[in-house]
Amino acid sequence: GAVVSQHPSRVICKSGTSVKIECRSLDFQATTMFWYRQFPKQSLMLMATSNEGSKATYEQGVEKDKFLINHASLTLSTLTVTSAHPEDSSFYICSAKVPSLGVQETQYFGPGTRLLVL
Amino acid sequence: GQNIDQPTEMTATEGAIVQINCTYQTSGFNGLFWYQQHAGEAPTFLSYNVLDGLEEKGRFSSFLSRSKGYSYLLLKELQMKDSASYLCAVMDSNYQLIWGAGTKLIIKP
Repeated sequence: GAVVSQHPSRVICKSGTSVKIECRSLDFQATTMFWYRQFPKQSLMLMATSNEGSKATYEQGVEKDKFLINHASLTLSTLTVTSAHPEDSSFYICSAKVPSLGVQETQYFGPGTRLLVL
Repeated sequence: GQNIDQPTEMTATEGAIVQINCTYQTSGFNGLFWYQQHAGEAPTFLSYNVLDGLEEKGRFSSFLSRSKGYSYLLLKELQMKDSASYLCAVMDSNYQLIWGAGTKLIIKP
């Protein structure tokens, strides 16, 4: 299957600092990537849809100035959590839509980044 | 509104069979996905159904009834490594995935 990598896998930072998370599609070109957040024992929450070469589409309630998304190439999308606070501590997961000819557009997920803000 | 319902938790015995149900109400339908998520890890794709019926893939099978807004994931010959959360997700008319909260499956020896 398609491989999506994510870096870093784990990060601890001080409150007020910014953290950048990278998401890469390793063996395919992804025009669309998704960023999710998952709190313990809860389901995935879509934060934004990232399209290569254009601005990301944010879900309601997600602050676009706080969660900066850049999809500069067909294989890389980045999420920057600016001025992170303890409530931003969560598991951040990216996924990439695998191009296909059919209706099915399976999303393959990166391994996730666990962010802890002290 | 859009809604995906699945049981919060299920328990089964190693070697047995378990069925995890999922019901949905969405604006449009472009397929239903099942993902497996082990604790602390990202989801991995298991199956996709867009037509009614049963799709079998090894020990795992997934069933869909569009008229009933219902799907199930069937796991046979359960192994301890199958202990995980199973997420049901429906692709709506805008090709957006709507996620269920997941079913935590506990396998006992």
